Amino acid sequence: DGGITQSPKYLFRKEGQNVTLSCEQNLNHDAMYWYRQDPGQGLRLIYYSQIVNDFQKGDIAEGYSVSREKKESFPLTVTSAQKNPTAFYLCASSIDSQRPQHFGDGTRLSIL
Amino acid sequence: EDQVTQSPEALRLQEGESSSLNCSYTVSGLRGLFWYRQDPGKGPEFLFTLYSAGEEKEKERLKATLTKKESFLHITAPKPEDSATYLCAVRASGGSNYKLTFGKGTLLTVNP
Repeated sequence: DGGITQSPKYLFRKEGQNVTLSCEQNLNHDAMYWYRQDPGQGLRLIYYSQIVNDFQKGDIAEGYSVSREKKESFPLTVTSAQKNPTAFYLCASSIDSQRPQHFGDGTRLSIL
Repeated sequence: EDQVTQSPEALRLQEGESSSLNCSYTVSGLRGLFWYRQDPGKGPEFLFTLYSAGEEKEKERLKATLTKKESFLHITAPKPEDSATYLCAVRASGGSNYKLTFGKGTLLTVNP
């Protein structure tokens, strides 16, 4: 089945630690996205990638980093500079930037 | 700045009781309005894209409509399995035309 796989489903971070969230898609989509979802707020864009080796900051990129070495993969690193990382993180992809985005089932990140 | 406001925040219906959810938007040149359904602990599931005023889309018990200022998601004779959070998002024209601006969602509960 084609889809977007995010792992792990739950992740815990210690103070001062960097953690990496995985996002893999087998839909052959060019564009990939990372969003953050907090209770009572709309989804907010962290990073966007239109093609391999190219990505752009979204509205809340501070404290996060990404890479796009393969078309299928778009991992997100939450660095120790992100002071409030507790949230539900969603990865999405689309055929191109103008088509509907399709989402994975998210990773819930908490602080130990 | 693009804005999306969804109302009501929460809606409780009896099975078979039809109703509508509202999505009001302010955007500089609409390039698409998107409806998603999100179940607890899951990623959003794409439902519809609307592009121009007067456009309508239907899927089972759901019908989405669009005017120049708002969109409605009409739910006809809902069933308990329609219970979910419904998200609305817009894409604007301009330099960041890959970006979706999301509303906070409407939590729909359908009681049997």
